[in-house]
Amino acid sequence: GAVVSQHPSWVICKSGTSVKIECRSLDFQATTMFWYRQFPKQSLMLMATSNEGSKATYEQGVEKDKFLINHASLTLSTLTVTSAHPEDSSFYICSAEARGPYNEQFFGPGTRLTVL
Amino acid sequence: AQRVTQPEKLLSVFKGAPVELKCNYSYSGSPELFWYVQYSRQRLQLLLRHISRESIKGFTADLNKGETSFHLKKPFAQEEDSAMYYCALSGGYNKLIFGAGTRLAVHP
Repeated sequence: GAVVSQHPSWVICKSGTSVKIECRSLDFQATTMFWYRQFPKQSLMLMATSNEGSKATYEQGVEKDKFLINHASLTLSTLTVTSAHPEDSSFYICSAEARGPYNEQFFGPGTRLTVL
Repeated sequence: AQRVTQPEKLLSVFKGAPVELKCNYSYSGSPELFWYVQYSRQRLQLLLRHISRESIKGFTADLNKGETSFHLKKPFAQEEDSAMYYCALSGGYNKLIFGAGTRLAVHP
């Protein structure tokens, strides 16, 4: 149990276009999901906390208008990279928090975004 | 400032040798600390957390508040332990702050 999927697994787009990445909890409901960014050979950095039915909470330095997050249901959060530029190329990983004694986070497989 | 430091990018050992992956943290309150593992081409998964005091796959980690450390140890490394290991700190609201990671390579 506790599986999180991401779609797509990779995407290549032209500079200036927008890209949407989906994060789904397949067998549990998640009121809270998290979005991370990972540059090559670097660690994961938290971008934002996605809360079902309310606005996302962004970490310092993350542009809200650039990275739009929507958490419309208990099993789906989306991250839209608007007007993407080459510097947005990265590996984007989501996690979903499962309610329980530890509120453990389960991670998706990640989405590799390449902006040309 | 909240920070997790993993000083070693790569730790290379032979099968059967003891392993210690170092992790130091900086946090003003009572920390929750975790070790996550990422095997080749797989997603990140929780290895252990300090609260549960479990031993998973032979790995243990003890929280030392005096030294602000949470080192991961295993007495006898196996080849299947080769992976990327991340130490992480929960900084409130279950937000995770990750260290840079240490790649463990276990050679036959």
